[in-house]
Amino acid sequence: DTAVSQTPKYLVTQMGNDKSIKCEQNLGHDTMYWYKQDSKKFLKIMFSYNNKELIINETVPNRFSPKSPDKAHLNLHINSLELGDSAVYFCASSQTIAYEQYFGPGTRLTVT
Amino acid sequence: GESVGLHLPTLSVQEGDNSIINCAYSNSASDYFIWYKQESGKGPQFIIDIRSNMDKRQGQRVTVLLNKTVKHLSLQIAATQPGDSAVYFCASKDEFYFGTGTSLTVIP
Repeated sequence: DTAVSQTPKYLVTQMGNDKSIKCEQNLGHDTMYWYKQDSKKFLKIMFSYNNKELIINETVPNRFSPKSPDKAHLNLHINSLELGDSAVYFCASSQTIAYEQYFGPGTRLTVT
Repeated sequence: GESVGLHLPTLSVQEGDNSIINCAYSNSASDYFIWYKQESGKGPQFIIDIRSNMDKRQGQRVTVLLNKTVKHLSLQIAATQPGDSAVYFCASKDEFYFGTGTSLTVIP
């Protein structure tokens, strides 16, 4: 059974489009996260939700909007995609905030 | 601002040798640290953690050392194997800063 799953695995789109990435965890965790990893492997947190409430919102353009319909899901919607948004996006979850996180397989977003 | 970061971006070791990956942190109040391993094409995976009331913690072939005086921790991998080739990240409970990690390459 996959603990943290993301869809799609690959996403290729043009500048200016709007896209969403979905994340689901079946671990019963309370906290979920979105991270961005660039081509140099720099991994940076974007958002965190605890029990469906936003608790971390790093300096991220407001074109990025997370949404947590329930504790098991955290989706990421991106408006007006830009070339610089190309990266691998990882979803993660943990039992409580900041402790051992379980990462999904990543979504590779390519903006052309 | 506060941060946790690794010292060297790349490390190459011969198969069978021991590897040491270092990490420094700035928040002296940090009380919990985690090491993650990220293999190519995958998400980071938990390796081992350590709380600030410990100086050392051992797992299977891995040991984490914590030096609170100089705010430094290290991950030691014994008898490094090709499967250990990956990017390694350290993180603390207080900060969600992973940085670029250290890319470990094991030479057969």
